Amino acid sequence: SQQGEEDPQALSIQEGENATMNCSYKTSINNLQWYRQNSGRGLVHLILIRSNEREKHSGRLRVTLDTSKKSSSLLITASRAADTASYFCATDASNSGGSNYKLTFGKGTLLTVNP
Amino acid sequence: DAGITQSPRHKVTETGTPVTLRCHQTENHRYMYWYRQDPGHGLRLIHYSYGVKDTDKGEVSDGYSVSRSKTEDFLLTLESATSSQTSVYFCAISASGARNEQFFGPGTRLTVL
Repeated sequence: SQQGEEDPQALSIQEGENATMNCSYKTSINNLQWYRQNSGRGLVHLILIRSNEREKHSGRLRVTLDTSKKSSSLLITASRAADTASYFCATDASNSGGSNYKLTFGKGTLLTVNP
Repeated sequence: DAGITQSPRHKVTETGTPVTLRCHQTENHRYMYWYRQDPGHGLRLIHYSYGVKDTDKGEVSDGYSVSRSKTEDFLLTLESATSSQTSVYFCAISASGARNEQFFGPGTRLTVL
């Protein structure tokens, strides 16, 4: 079953606007990661936030993590047409008995940025 | 792109035939993963490897087997392909498991008729 679930499933905005995507998860984590996938391509890592961090920035990306609510958000500011892609959150599982090999991905948010 | 390739990139096969997909990396990363991606299901883990000859099952391992005889190659085999295995398959690599980022290959589109 999916650990992370993104919301909304699809988002359409105009160029220059901000885009916010949310991710909820069920069990305790060590870290949460966000990935982008352009149509027909492999996933590309965007940002990783650890469970003891609350906010992280990378260029136009801002990620927040609220472990008490088991949720994260990805904000893309001043969006561009080139940001059109699917965005996935992925979580590890901190209760994996010492092994920390696997990520579990959500189903993704499809972001469309209209010129 | 990270040094990770997948072959073939596209394949059409018939039900009941064996199929092997190859993932090759030049990064010397310890961990390798096979995922499948289907509409409505997102990315699901099939099998993964945490070292040469060390593999384990993922979420959707039925009907699939894997082998890793050397660091750079991770093979995914469908012993007898079924139409439900029509999907896009992605290989990923990681230096430190789930503690840091995974790098993805370009994908293999498999169609089972």
